[in-house]
Amino acid sequence: KAGVTQTPRYLIKTRGQQVTLSCSPISGHRSVSWYQQTPGQGLQFLFEYFSETQRNKGNFPGRFSGRQFSNSRSEMNVSTLELGDSALYLCASSLVRKGAEAFFGQGTRLTVV
Amino acid sequence: KNQVEQSPQSLIILEGKNCTLQCNYTVSPFSNLRWYKQDTGRGPVSLTIMTFSENTKSNGRYTATLDADTKQSSLHITASQLSDSASYICVVSAVGTGGGSQGNLIFGKGTKLSVKP
Repeated sequence: KAGVTQTPRYLIKTRGQQVTLSCSPISGHRSVSWYQQTPGQGLQFLFEYFSETQRNKGNFPGRFSGRQFSNSRSEMNVSTLELGDSALYLCASSLVRKGAEAFFGQGTRLTVV
Repeated sequence: KNQVEQSPQSLIILEGKNCTLQCNYTVSPFSNLRWYKQDTGRGPVSLTIMTFSENTKSNGRYTATLDADTKQSSLHITASQLSDSASYICVVSAVGTGGGSQGNLIFGKGTKLSVKP
């Protein structure tokens, strides 16, 4: 059974640009959540989607957005990139059930210069 | 405020030795507690997940304990190996009102473990 797949693995962008990251969940998992991980803050929840609808949202500015497609694949978009957006962005998929275990992808390492 | 605190922040041990990592939380209402292992540059991998009624759970050389009364958990690693070098993250799930299954996860900042030969 294939795991959670994130693309690309590495990305370098300049300030002001926008970026789109992709996540393919484990087959059968309809919930996809996104996290930002930085050395200082650890893992922070961005948002969660299932059934193509955002279900939960963390405390991030509106520059961070996402969407989910009918096949449960999800994309995350960051507009007007800032240096502080440099981080490892992780996607996790799970069953749609309270307390369901989350399975993480390898992450996309975004560097903003 | 829901918080998860882990200690120590970092730890160096010799191969073959045991170690214990700590996690204290102030999350309410509590749903479950998870320990993840994260190798550098990779995504976290689940080690254990415990609900309120479980006091201990093992996964090979990893044993997690949970004291829901004192809101403390520990992860004990037995006979450490070089491959145990990683960050260990404690994650507490709160019972939330949101419609999702992951939106109420509160993450600790992790303990960075280095196992030396």
